[in-house]
Amino acid sequence: ELKVEQNPLFLSMQEGKNYTIYCNYSTTSDRLYWYRQDPGKSLESLFVLLSNGAVKQEGRLMASLDTKARLSTLHITAAVHDLSATYFCAVDPPFVNYGGATNKLIFGTGTLLAVQP
Amino acid sequence: KAGVTQTPRYLIKTRGQQVTLSCSPISGHRSVSWYQQTPGQGLQFLFEYFSETQRNKGNFPGRFSGRQFSNSRSEMNVSTLELGDSALYLCASSSGGLLAGGTDTQYFGPGTRLTVL
Repeated sequence: ELKVEQNPLFLSMQEGKNYTIYCNYSTTSDRLYWYRQDPGKSLESLFVLLSNGAVKQEGRLMASLDTKARLSTLHITAAVHDLSATYFCAVDPPFVNYGGATNKLIFGTGTLLAVQP
Repeated sequence: KAGVTQTPRYLIKTRGQQVTLSCSPISGHRSVSWYQQTPGQGLQFLFEYFSETQRNKGNFPGRFSGRQFSNSRSEMNVSTLELGDSALYLCASSSGGLLAGGTDTQYFGPGTRLTVL
């Protein structure tokens, strides 16, 4: 059974600092997603990572994927208050198990990021 | 392009009642997935519909059901409500073009917050 673990669960950081959120998953997956959720709001798609070594960057956020280690990281550079939110990683079960890709995302527990001025 | 819409946004029901939630996907999207979000269990996959057929199902009791119409709009129904069904119910749509290596990103709606008293 595919399981996804994130750490830390809570992250309090000061503006201007750098930090990394980690996402481990238990079995092979073909796609890994990062989402952001603001309080009381829905999920906003940030990144989709498909292949080993994939790196994507948007503003102060950079996501990478190591499929051999089954690990993805979300790196925050020079944090600002606007980045305060809960960040989720999610993976799809392997295509081969379903005869094709699924839209059955397995989510991590989420990381609540609070950026303090 | 309009995003995913869900109705109603808020709902209060009592134990034993049933409820129907509605989701309209992004125009042109054929896949609709449903998720339940609670503080204790996090985000959990309920089911996915594609071209009016349920393609994947999560580990929820039979009280949770859904369907999809020919215009890709989807409904989910929960019968015999229990206190533990109180949650934010999110639907997500994607194009459904599920080829290996594709980036079939799911876009989430604002959610329906269900409270069971």
